[in-house]
Amino acid sequence: AQTVTQSQPEMSVQEAETVTLSCTYDTSESNYYLFWYKQPPSRQMILVIRQEAYKQQNATENRFSVNFQKAAKSFSLKISDSQLGDTAMYFCAFMKLTNDMRFGAGTRLTVKP
Amino acid sequence: DVKVTQSSRYLVKRTGEKVFLECVQDMDHENMFWYRQDPGLGLRLIYFSYDVKMKEKGDIPEGYSVSREKKERFSLILESASTNQTSMYLCASTSQTGFGNTEAFFGQGTRLTVV
Repeated sequence: AQTVTQSQPEMSVQEAETVTLSCTYDTSESNYYLFWYKQPPSRQMILVIRQEAYKQQNATENRFSVNFQKAAKSFSLKISDSQLGDTAMYFCAFMKLTNDMRFGAGTRLTVKP
Repeated sequence: DVKVTQSSRYLVKRTGEKVFLECVQDMDHENMFWYRQDPGLGLRLIYFSYDVKMKEKGDIPEGYSVSREKKERFSLILESASTNQTSMYLCASTSQTGFGNTEAFFGQGTRLTVV
């Protein structure tokens, strides 16, 4: 099975600053999807950003962007201009084209005022 | 508005009970998943289903079974609940992947306590 590793259990950042969350994965597949999901205290999982492995261009969604390094099997999330509402657990996820989907252990991000 | 609904938000059961966790999605998705979420371990896949009556084991299927008799409903069954199954359970669904905007939609989670 694919493995997803998030090496930072907890991180904090000052409001308006930039923070980067790390994720690495292990797979023998050539085509797949990668995701970052956010889980606020409400427990509802929310999609932050998605990357298709066949696309070389890094995905961006407003203040959120990724650094996708396919050869290194690395998929980091950069949050710019951090806001208090960004405080949450962040999960990195890998999905095969057969829909087998695996998650990392998560990073708890705290944005400080 | 897309929706995945889990039957209970909180549940308390006794050791040895048979427990059913229900999940319903209204998006006509082919694929449905059950995950278990524990602190420091993230989301671990228990089972997933890619079609009615079809299922695949995930990483931690022991002590669990599943049922998918209808496309919209995916049930997780704890045959004989034990205290080490106390956890948060998350259901998710996805459409068939291809080259498109696939993503997983999640239910609100069921926090199960086995006493």
